Amino acid sequence: GEQVEQLPSILRVQEGSSASINCSYEDSASNYFPWYKQEPGENPKLIIDIRSNMERKQIQELIVLLDKKAKRFSLHITDTQPGDSAMYFCAARENYGNEKITFGAGTKLTIKP
Amino acid sequence: DPKIIQKPKYLVAVTGSEKILICEQYLGHNAMYWYRQSAKKPLEFMFSYSYQKLMDNQTASSRFQPQSSKKNHLDLQITALKPDDSATYFCASSQEGDQDTQYFGPGTRLLVL
Repeated sequence: GEQVEQLPSILRVQEGSSASINCSYEDSASNYFPWYKQEPGENPKLIIDIRSNMERKQIQELIVLLDKKAKRFSLHITDTQPGDSAMYFCAARENYGNEKITFGAGTKLTIKP
Repeated sequence: DPKIIQKPKYLVAVTGSEKILICEQYLGHNAMYWYRQSAKKPLEFMFSYSYQKLMDNQTASSRFQPQSSKKNHLDLQITALKPDDSATYFCASSQEGDQDTQYFGPGTRLLVL
């Protein structure tokens, strides 16, 4: 099955700077890559996703990049704010008519004031 | 997401007992899932259902049995509970035809003593 590696596991950045989280996957058949944000005691919430027919997608301060050849994708948060502090999970879905999503181990992002 | 209801929010059980975790979604989705999250492991896919039929089962133990009495219900029965079953169990759902985007319920936090 698919394996997703996510780094770093802990990330601290200064408020106003950018934060980057990197993920890699193994199965070249994976075609959908969502990112979820989870705050303490809450459920994971989808914040942005990218499909395999795209290389870049941006929603406000969130940018995701996908390199299919390298089997890597990344999340970049520009102009970080205290509200961006949370756990972030990348994920990949295989294209076998299978709805299973495999998650990375998560990145704990802390924005320092 | 308030349109995905999970009951109970917190659950304490004794080793060896049996519990049922309830999930109902009012998003009109046809596909539903169960995930587990613990301190030891990241978000872990357990089951997927589509139109009340089991699509994928990634749980090794038969102690975990999903039950779908209605299209918008997917309960999770856990028998012979063990302390290692302690985790937060998230139900999720997605729309047929847009199966990529999965929305998570608030979770049931299970503690097995």
